[in-house]
Amino acid sequence: KQEVTQIPAALSVPEGENLVLNCSFTDSAIYNLQWFRQDPGKGLTSLLLIQSSQREQTSGRLNASLDKSSGRSTLYIAASQPGDSATYLCAVIQFGGQFYFGTGTSLTVIP
Amino acid sequence: GAGVSQSPRYKVAKRGQDVALRCDPISGHVSLFWYQQALGQGPEFLTYFQNEAQLDKSGLPSDRFFAERPEGSVSTLKIQRTQQEDSAVYLCASSFGQSRETQYFGPGTRLLVL
Repeated sequence: KQEVTQIPAALSVPEGENLVLNCSFTDSAIYNLQWFRQDPGKGLTSLLLIQSSQREQTSGRLNASLDKSSGRSTLYIAASQPGDSATYLCAVIQFGGQFYFGTGTSLTVIP
Repeated sequence: GAGVSQSPRYKVAKRGQDVALRCDPISGHVSLFWYQQALGQGPEFLTYFQNEAQLDKSGLPSDRFFAERPEGSVSTLKIQRTQQEDSAVYLCASSFGQSRETQYFGPGTRLLVL
């Protein structure tokens, strides 16, 4: 079974700082990898989806990279803002359609 | 509707009670998924429907859990004889086509079993 790990579990940074969230997975035979944001009491919001043939995706201040062979993905957030405070989840999507989520990184951006 | 909706948003049940959780997917979405998210954990897959067909129920933790989507739209997740370990947030997601496409999540139902 695919195992997805996210490090760190929690992160607190001052506003304006750049930061990196890490995701690792044990089975490199993945179809896609997706990063989500989860706010308290709310569902998941998709941030970026990287297909297995891609190395990275960018959206605004967010950049996600994927290294399938080493089983790693990173989410880079530039110039962090208090509104970025949330839990960030990565999910790997297998060829059979199964989604496996990590346990998340809880981010707090201090004004 | 504009997004995936779930009801109720919160449910408190006494141990042994049966509960039913509802999911309204985005109109026209073929695939529907249920996940269980325990406190401090990521969501864990429970079951998947394509239209009315339940194609994968490998994640259902016991035979007390049952899901249906009889007309290929609204889905209900039923938990019989609830136990304290069933306390979690139950998330529903839908996608337009195949299971591998981007999923859109509802706000979840927070279940507390006392």
